[in-house]
Formats: sequence, structure tokens, C-alpha cells
Amino acid sequence: NAGVMQNPRHLVRRRGQEARLRCSPMKGHSHVYWYRQLPEEGLKFMVYLQKENIIDESGMPKERFSAEFPKEGPSILRIQQVVRGDSAAYFCASSPRTVQDNEQFFGPGTRLTVL
Amino acid sequence: GENVEQHPSTLSVQEGDSAVIKCTYSDSASNYFPWYKQELGKRPQLIIDIRSNVGEKKDQRIAVTLNKTAKHFSLHITETQPEDSAVYFCAAPPANDYKLSFGAGTTVTVRA
Repeated sequence: NAGVMQNPRHLVRRRGQEARLRCSPMKGHSHVYWYRQLPEEGLKFMVYLQKENIIDESGMPKERFSAEFPKEGPSILRIQQVVRGDSAAYFCASSPRTVQDNEQFFGPGTRLTVL
Repeated sequence: GENVEQHPSTLSVQEGDSAVIKCTYSDSASNYFPWYKQELGKRPQLIIDIRSNVGEKKDQRIAVTLNKTAKHFSLHITETQPEDSAVYFCAAPPANDYKLSFGAGTTVTVRA
């Protein structure tokens, strides 16, 4: 049973370009969460999605950032017109159910570097 | 929202000794408290969690204790080994919520 998968693992973009980060949840999991980790800091919640629905995007900047989880295919976190401050590790996690005490399992992360 | 504070930020222990990391949380209705271990450049891995209906949980050399009255929970690692060296994060979701609020992390170094 494959774990949470993310690609690419490393992404380099120049300022002003777009970054697309992909996340495939564990088999049987329909809930996806995106977190951002700045260097030597903890993880900060960005957005929570279920298939075809954004449930909570309270942690995601309102401009330049968007997320989706289509009926078919991976969840995508999209960052438009990247700036140096977007450089971070972006992790997604998945869980099998929606109750509060659900276990979240993390993918390997995408390390975004903005030049 | 939930505010989680974690101490200490760094911890150096001699191999074989115990390590203890403490976290406090703000939402008294929170009822799930996971601990994650993150090695350099790797993903956070869930190592143990505890729900509010128990006060302690143990898994081999790792244990977690929960004090709901004081709103704090702790991770205990006994007989530490070099492979325990990593950053450890505590987390908690706010009541009736699902997104995890993480502590700032504790860098544990086990000296051989």
C-alpha cells in the first residue's frame, strides 16, 4: 500500500513564474491537507480538501495561492507569480475520515526554491 | 484557534538516557494529540498519538502522557539511541476541527 506521494520532490522557479505541486493521497483516503514548513520552523496549515471540495482554506494566502482536488487525479497546490518568500517545503497529508481525531499521514514534501 | 507551545527547542542527551519534550495547548476541548518525528530532509512521521480518554500511552521506548486539567502533554523517550536524533513536533487540532496546529519543534541530539 503506497503512502502519500508528492511530486516533484524539488522545484526551482524564478520570481514571477508559476509553481504546481501535486499530491496523491494514500489509497482509501479522501481527505487531503496541505502544510507549509519554512526553514527550521514548524508546519503551518494551509488548506483542507475533499474530492471536488475545498473545506477550509483559512491558512492559505488569498492572493496567488489556490488548491484543488478533482474527482480524478491528484490534489494540486498552485502558486502563481512566485516570490522569494514562497521558498519552503510544502507537505501534504491525507486521512481516511473526517472526525477530529483522524490520523494524518504525510508525503515526502516538495521543496520549492524561488530564485 | 489552537495555540500549541513546545519546549525545549533543543535537547542533547547521552545515549541510553531519557528525553522528555513538553507541549501545552490552549483549547480545553481538544481531544487528539499526535507526535511526529522528522529527520533531516524527510517527511514528518507519526510516531505516537493519544486521545483525551486516556492519560498515558506507551509503545516500546516511547510514551506520551496527557494532563487535560493543566492542558499539557509530554513525549518520553527512554534508552535513547543515535537513531532517535531528529526534530520532534507535537500537534493538536482545535475542538471540532481537523487541521493540526503544530508546536515549533524540538531538535533532539543523542550523543554516542
